[in-house]
Amino acid sequence: EAQVTQNPRYLITVTGKKLTVTCSQNMNHEYMSWYRQDPGLGLRQIYYSMNVEVTDKGDVPEGYKVSRKEKRNFPLILESPSPNQTSLYFCASSLWWDQPQHFGDGTRLSIL
Amino acid sequence: KQEVTQIPAALSVPEGENLVLNCSFTDSAIYNLQWFRQDPGKGLTSLLLIQSSQREQTSGRLNASLDKSSGRSTLYIAASQPGDSATYLCAVIPLANAGGTSYGKLTFGQGTILTVHP
Repeated sequence: EAQVTQNPRYLITVTGKKLTVTCSQNMNHEYMSWYRQDPGLGLRQIYYSMNVEVTDKGDVPEGYKVSRKEKRNFPLILESPSPNQTSLYFCASSLWWDQPQHFGDGTRLSIL
Repeated sequence: KQEVTQIPAALSVPEGENLVLNCSFTDSAIYNLQWFRQDPGKGLTSLLLIQSSQREQTSGRLNASLDKSSGRSTLYIAASQPGDSATYLCAVIPLANAGGTSYGKLTFGQGTILTVHP
């Protein structure tokens, strides 16, 4: 089944404890992206990757890191999480950047 | 900076009605516009994608139009059903600027929450 898989789905952690949210797609897509969704602010792009080893900042990259060493994986790294990064996070992929995007089911992060 | 606005924020209609959701954007230099659906607790599902050179796209009971000159897109849902209840979002991809820094970025509207009651 074609899908974008995020892990974990839910995580409660504390300020400053490094965490990684994994994202994997099995559709051989070139383009991958991370978003956060917050009430009143909508969906905002954090980072995106046009292809392997190429990443670029979205609108809200501060406090996040990404890497794209393989086509199928695009992990989101929070080196020193803070409470303002409490949010619902989505990973998405598409065959190319101008094609319809496929979204994962989301990761709800709570940082205390 | 591109801004995307969706009106109305929420809409409640009886089953069977035809309805229109609106999406406006401030910078008409876009590559394409996408409409998505989001069900509670789920990710987004792509519904329709309109290239900037197109004026509309259709899929089943859904029809999306694009008017770049006015910075607007509409999503028309015919004969609405309770199963159409969800949040509908639009997103634009801008044309790459001279430096290419916006290439591949998406900007989303905040969505319209649609409720179709039996």
